[in-house]
Amino acid sequence: QLQLQESGSGLVKPSQTLSLTCAVSGGSISSGGYSWSWIRQPPGKGLEWIGYIYHSGSTYYNPSLKSRVTISVDRSKNQFSLKLSSVTAADTAVYYCARGVPAASGWFDPWGQGTLVTVSS
Amino acid sequence: DIQMTQSPSSLSASVGDRVTITCRASQGISNSLAWYQQKPGKAPKLLLYAASRLESGVPSRFSGSGSGTDYTLTISSLQPEDFATYYCQQYYSTPFTFGPGTKVDIK
Repeated sequence: QLQLQESGSGLVKPSQTLSLTCAVSGGSISSGGYSWSWIRQPPGKGLEWIGYIYHSGSTYYNPSLKSRVTISVDRSKNQFSLKLSSVTAADTAVYYCARGVPAASGWFDPWGQGTLVTVSS
Repeated sequence: DIQMTQSPSSLSASVGDRVTITCRASQGISNSLAWYQQKPGKAPKLLLYAASRLESGVPSRFSGSGSGTDYTLTISSLQPEDFATYYCQQYYSTPFTFGPGTKVDIK
């Protein structure tokens, strides 16, 4: 059973870089046919897709965040990561990682449990 | 970007009620639509994909239909564990986008 688990800093100062990692267990991130996404949800609000990466390293980012986002993959550790630069209070959210099915265009399943990141000085 | 809207934004219903939630896309999405259920403090859970295909393990009281720009999620007989917020998501084109959600609570 595939499981995803987010980890990283829960408190980030304004203008700094948010860094999160998603560890994948119960399956290989190098398996073809899937993408690996980050999705966020501000407190009490809806869901926003941030971007995805393939096991090959190819990425696609939401244009609304593209200038600040980097998603990378570490196949040796079976994990992928998110970096979001120049954060503001508007980036405060629960950040989820999820598998995209099928790759490039699809739905998300499963999801990690989510991790709250607060941007505050 | 494809904009997704949902109606109603919230509803109150009783156990056993039939509930229908509507999702509308700003352009045709060729059944490239998923539905999720989210409970407080939890990650969204996939219910249906391709507009009407039930995810494995999801109760058959959940069903989906629609075409073009308009889609519906129906719960045939609401159960206590179904009180939650429901989101639709289009995956027809990037950036993938979600509806604003429909909160289903107890009448």
